Amino acid sequence: QKEVEQNSGPLSVPEGAIASLNCTYSDRVSQSFFWYRQYSGKSPELIMSIYSNGDKEDGRFTAQLNKASQYVSLLIRDSQPSDSATYLCAVNLRDDKIIFGKGTRLHILP
Amino acid sequence: NAGVTQTPKFRILKIGQSMTLQCTQDMNHNYMYWYRQDPGMGLKLIYYSVGAGITDKGEVPNGYNVSRSTTEDFPLRLELAAPSQTSVYFCASSLPDKNTEAFFGQGTRLTVV
Repeated sequence: QKEVEQNSGPLSVPEGAIASLNCTYSDRVSQSFFWYRQYSGKSPELIMSIYSNGDKEDGRFTAQLNKASQYVSLLIRDSQPSDSATYLCAVNLRDDKIIFGKGTRLHILP
Repeated sequence: NAGVTQTPKFRILKIGQSMTLQCTQDMNHNYMYWYRQDPGMGLKLIYYSVGAGITDKGEVPNGYNVSRSTTEDFPLRLELAAPSQTSVYFCASSLPDKNTEAFFGQGTRLTVV
């Protein structure tokens, strides 16, 4: 089992709708989780981090963490064309490695 | 504040050549990482370092070497370049706190022909 898994997509969502991105991880001891956004040809940039079970909201973005199920998700409300990008889930493992999933390509349909 | 700086931005290598990708950060971060990203894929960890003099293998270390003689610099060495090493390479750094993000450099696009 890969350490961090994501559906590669593409995920197509109409403008104004909610985009839901999912990620599972294998290391139960993992403590911190990150969502990065990457535009084509650019470096990843952090959009959300979450460390405790439950929801964390920041503007149009909500991260959800369920450690029992080893599951973390990202919701994007009122999706905009500028949200079209690849979203990378990252997990900080017990030995200080930060491991990424292969990313989900999100396409917002105007 | 420059953050994480990688050089060069682009490079073409011939099979069997060697080169060093440079990475330096000015944020006094203890942790540094090297990732590679193949087209349409996520980031794969090559090597990482939790401090000067300490390095450890990541997911895909074969064909690469690193050193960490200072807090600021974390060069990645490719010996005997192979076409399979054609990729975009990202260097990143972070504080020694699991709850802090990694900051990325601009990337180096390497082609081996």
